[in-house]
Amino acid sequence: GNSVTQMEGPVTLSEEAFLTINCTYTATGYPSLFWYVQYPGEGLQLLLKATKADDKGSNKGFEATYRKETTSFHLEKGSVQVSDSAVYFCALMTTDSWGKLQFGAGTQVVVTP
Amino acid sequence: NAGVTQTPKFQVLKTGQSMTLQCAQDMNHNSMYWYRQDPGMGLRLIYYSASEGTTDKGEVPNGYNVSRLNKREFSLRLESAAPSQTSVYFCASSAGQHLTGELFFGEGSRLTVL
Repeated sequence: GNSVTQMEGPVTLSEEAFLTINCTYTATGYPSLFWYVQYPGEGLQLLLKATKADDKGSNKGFEATYRKETTSFHLEKGSVQVSDSAVYFCALMTTDSWGKLQFGAGTQVVVTP
Repeated sequence: NAGVTQTPKFQVLKTGQSMTLQCAQDMNHNSMYWYRQDPGMGLRLIYYSASEGTTDKGEVPNGYNVSRLNKREFSLRLESAAPSQTSVYFCASSAGQHLTGELFFGEGSRLTVL
C-alpha cells in the first residue's frame, strides 16, 4: 500500500537557520505530493505541492522538489523565523485514491529566537 | 469566511457513552472527510464522503459512523466510546475527487474517553 515516511522530530533550530525535513514515499503509479503545516491550536493547511516528477513546489520561502528516482519530497527553507514553528506533514495522493490523502506522521519544528 | 467549522472543540466522555461531532463547510465543496490525529501516527482517515449522498470507509472506520446530512454538513458519531478513541478529530473538505489535493481543515475537536 501507499505510505509516507518523515524524519522524526522535534527539530529545534535558531532563527535564520536552514531547515530541511526529509520525506520519502512508497506508492503505486505517479502520486501527487504535498506538504501541509499545522500551527499550534489550528487545523492543517496546504503549504505547497508538486504533481509530477521534477516539479518544485514553493510557498512562503519553503521549497520541495519531487524526486521520482529517490521517491522523496524533502522540505527546505533557507532562513527560518520563530513564526515557522509548527508541525509539518508530508502527504501523497494517487489518481485512484478519490481525493484521499495519505499523511506522514508529522515533524514538529521549534524555532527559537 | 468561516471555512470548515467543527463542534464541539473539546469533549470528555466516559467509556460506553455516545456522542456526535458536527462539521459544516461553507465553500460549496463536494467532498468531506473525517480524520483522527494521534501522536506519532499523523492523520488517519476514518470516513469520507466523495459527494452528497455517498459515504465510504477510510483506514480506521471501526467504532464510528457518519452521516452526510446535506452538501454542507458531515457528522461523525461514536456509538459506544472507548479509551482508544481518545484523539483529536479533524473534519476537512475539498472541491472533489479530481481535485488538486487541497483539503481545507477545521480547527479540530479534542476528545478524551475515560
